[in-house]
Amino acid sequence: QVHLVESGGGVVQPGGSLRLSCEASGFSVSSYGIHWVRQAPGKGLEWVALISYDGSNQNYADSVRGRFTVSRDNSKKTLYLQMNSVRREDTAVYFCAKDVGYNYNYYYFDYWGQGTLVTVSS
Amino acid sequence: QSALTQPPSASGSPGQSVTISCTGTSSDVGFYKYVSWYQQHPGKAPKLIISEVNKRPSGVPDRFSGSKSGNTASLTVSGLQAEDEAEYYCSSYTGVHNSPVVFGTGTWVTVL
Repeated sequence: QVHLVESGGGVVQPGGSLRLSCEASGFSVSSYGIHWVRQAPGKGLEWVALISYDGSNQNYADSVRGRFTVSRDNSKKTLYLQMNSVRREDTAVYFCAKDVGYNYNYYYFDYWGQGTLVTVSS
Repeated sequence: QSALTQPPSASGSPGQSVTISCTGTSSDVGFYKYVSWYQQHPGKAPKLIISEVNKRPSGVPDRFSGSKSGNTASLTVSGLQAEDEAEYYCSSYTGVHNSPVVFGTGTWVTVL
């Protein structure tokens, strides 16, 4: 069955960097786009970024563009979210989520990881 | 892109029905069929329960149904069960490159 497992969260100082990973299994990883969605403590969901199935297309929310970068290594079935110049408002649980579309992005998500908590604090 | 508007809370007794609204604009909910609903229990990941306005993924009980009229989508949970107590979020495709997905503000459903 489909599994998405995030890792790499932790405490980081404002202005610092962190790289999150999302290990995928149970499906043809190289055929699906993967999104990152975050949820600040006690708050709602916020879409952060997308990397297309082949890595050729990346989208970012305005709130993270220029600071966050998504990438993927299909040979390792692993997706990454590189977070640079982090701010206190980036504190959240970060989920990776699988797009439903095969070689196409429909921008909704049929499987989610369990999330990893990123805390930005000095 | 502003968040879609949902009521903060809704409630019903076991066996009753509850309907949650999700109001957007003519540029998102009103324009696209890609409206989805997610259920999230505390401390857990969201789970897709309705896609493309009214489609139920495999394994989702038929107690969950979706609809749309104009700029407002709705989720109805019929025959409420204790395990339906959770936060529910709608989402819509927007077609905007730097903000292609917008989520709703979330609705907490209490089973009385």
